[in-house]
Amino acid sequence: QLVQSAAEVKKPGASVRVSCKTSGYSFDTYGISWVRQAPGQGLEWMGWISIDNIKTTNVQKLQGRVTMTRDTSTSTVYMELRSLRSDDTAMYYCARVALGGVIDYWGQGTLVTVSA
Amino acid sequence: DIVMTQSPDSLTVSLGERATINCKSSQSILYRSNNKNYLAWYQQKLGQPPKLLISWASTRESGVPDRFSGSGSGTDFTLTITNLQAEDVAVYYCLHHYYTPWTFGQGTKVEIK
Repeated sequence: QLVQSAAEVKKPGASVRVSCKTSGYSFDTYGISWVRQAPGQGLEWMGWISIDNIKTTNVQKLQGRVTMTRDTSTSTVYMELRSLRSDDTAMYYCARVALGGVIDYWGQGTLVTVSA
Repeated sequence: DIVMTQSPDSLTVSLGERATINCKSSQSILYRSNNKNYLAWYQQKLGQPPKLLISWASTRESGVPDRFSGSGSGTDFTLTITNLQAEDVAVYYCLHHYYTPWTFGQGTKVEIK
């Protein structure tokens, strides 16, 4: 299971941190990816964090505004997005990454709304 | 970056008929050293997170009905749904994970006629 934190409402320029608590599998065996979906739109890959804590982000789309961290003591992964804009309003999903990069299981999503 | 282009954007199919969705990558996503295509297919129903249907272009995930099949190699891939059922109404996405950034196709909406 991947259980995400509750919905957030933020003002432009603020930051948001979304958590993804995992259970039911060995946390050290799988990476975690983050994908977002703007209202009525398609899926956008944001980045992933590997089991050896290597982080790769979609720099072109996110311009270095995203940070991902893993807490092995709680089997939780965090995604922080800074300098929020209105077009960051989206459902944010965490998803498990299996060997070879296959995204196999998804969290339920966290809605982040950016509004003045 | 690799661009993934799906066609059509939407299709309407009668119950029991076949739906065919195409996905084309802007460059080959076949890794020759292991002969694997780094492509997956997902189904997203309204209000739900995506669900993995097919990995490595043609490997159906456990529990996925056998009416779903994936094919193709290199740059051209197809998801086929035979004997379409009402519960197959969804948006379908392809995703390449050949190298970062991984990218999704724009999605194909499947509806019942």
